[in-house]
Amino acid sequence: EPEVTQTPSHQVTQMGQEVILRCVPISNHLYFYWYRQILGQKVEFLVSFYNNEISEKSEIFDDQFSVERPDGSNFTLKIRSTKLEDSAMYFCASSEGPGLAGPERGFDEQFFGPGTRLTVL
Amino acid sequence: AQKITQTQPGMFVQEKEAVTLDCTYDTSDPSYGLFWYKQPSSGEMIFLIYQGSYDQQNATEGRYSLNFQKARKSANLVISASQLGDSAMYFCAMREGPLRGFGNQFYFGTGTSLTVIP
Repeated sequence: EPEVTQTPSHQVTQMGQEVILRCVPISNHLYFYWYRQILGQKVEFLVSFYNNEISEKSEIFDDQFSVERPDGSNFTLKIRSTKLEDSAMYFCASSEGPGLAGPERGFDEQFFGPGTRLTVL
Repeated sequence: AQKITQTQPGMFVQEKEAVTLDCTYDTSDPSYGLFWYKQPSSGEMIFLIYQGSYDQQNATEGRYSLNFQKARKSANLVISASQLGDSAMYFCAMREGPLRGFGNQFYFGTGTSLTVIP
């Protein structure tokens, strides 16, 4: 069964350093997402991406964050200058997009990757 | 106001018993979707069940069913015949907008930690 993959599973970095979190969405999916979950808290939306541009972003997704689809398979989240409060689990997700799921499929399920745990020291 | 509210931080259930996990939501959009995800201790998010705002019937997926009460804006998850492997965090989520809602963000609740007792 196709799945979303994320690397690395755990990233430790020093405050102020740049990190890039990598995701490989399901191959025929068109919409990609990043979420984060601070330890013990709820999952929070960061950004959605379609057709090589951001379609929606939250207040959390400020100028220190950026996303990119550098090739046909990877989807990356870059944090330019990490802060202590960026420590969290980061989830990538993907969904099929219009026209692929068929009329009998009434919803667009987002498939989540296993997450990358980011620790900022 | 919170989009998704889960008022039960922790729940216990005896193995083979049924359990209901509560979820209420807040939206003024007539089109929305409600989702439940399971997060085991390993951390991944596993999709369980979906309910669309226009669906007439309550959703069911195996041992999972969703008790959808639109007027009360609640979407409780019912797990029947609990198993030890059901012990996990459970998150309720909502997506607003068109039925398919491509690209629309999910709003998550704070989760309920379910422990199944042998």
